[in-house]
Amino acid sequence: RKEVEQDPGPFNVPEGATVAFNCTYSNSASQSFFWYRQDCRKEPKLLMSVYSSGNEDGRFTAQLNRASQYISLLIRDSKLSDSATYLCVVNFGNTGTASKLTFGTGTRLQVTL
Amino acid sequence: DGGITQSPKYLFRKEGQNVTLSCEQNLNHDAMYWYRQDPGQGLRLIYYSQIVNDFQKGDIAEGYSVSREKKESFPLTVTSAQKNPTAFYLCASTRYNEQFFGPGTRLTVL
Repeated sequence: RKEVEQDPGPFNVPEGATVAFNCTYSNSASQSFFWYRQDCRKEPKLLMSVYSSGNEDGRFTAQLNRASQYISLLIRDSKLSDSATYLCVVNFGNTGTASKLTFGTGTRLQVTL
Repeated sequence: DGGITQSPKYLFRKEGQNVTLSCEQNLNHDAMYWYRQDPGQGLRLIYYSQIVNDFQKGDIAEGYSVSREKKESFPLTVTSAQKNPTAFYLCASTRYNEQFFGPGTRLTVL
């Protein structure tokens, strides 16, 4: 079983739609969680951290369910510019100053007119 | 502007040659990392460094080497021992668990 699993997609949705991605992780001792966005042939960029209480940033909402070991990302009112691959990232623990992150393979979103 | 730079953006090398990828950061971050990304796979950790003159193997270190002589610099050498070196290589540094990435180097072995 992969340490971090995501549905690769693609999710094809019309502009204005609401879309949700889930991600499961295997290590119950995982400490911190993130969603990164990666555009085609570019580097990943942090979209948002995921907190136990859930958090929202504009049209984006992230949730964490520790009991079931999954995190989710909800995008409301999708824009064409949201088209990208969304990476689920889990920190299983720090080593000194280094945070060792484990990346999912990503879920590809394509928003269409 | 603070950030991470990687060079070159595209690199072609012949099979059997060593090649060094550059990574420089002016963010004053202690920890730096090298990942590779292959199509359909998540980022995989090659090496990481917590401080100057210290580095640790990641999950796929075989065929790679690094150095950390300065806080700002963390070059990666892809040696001829690396069986499948063609990939997208990403360098990153850390602040408070958040990793910042450079633009990447796309290496192709001919």
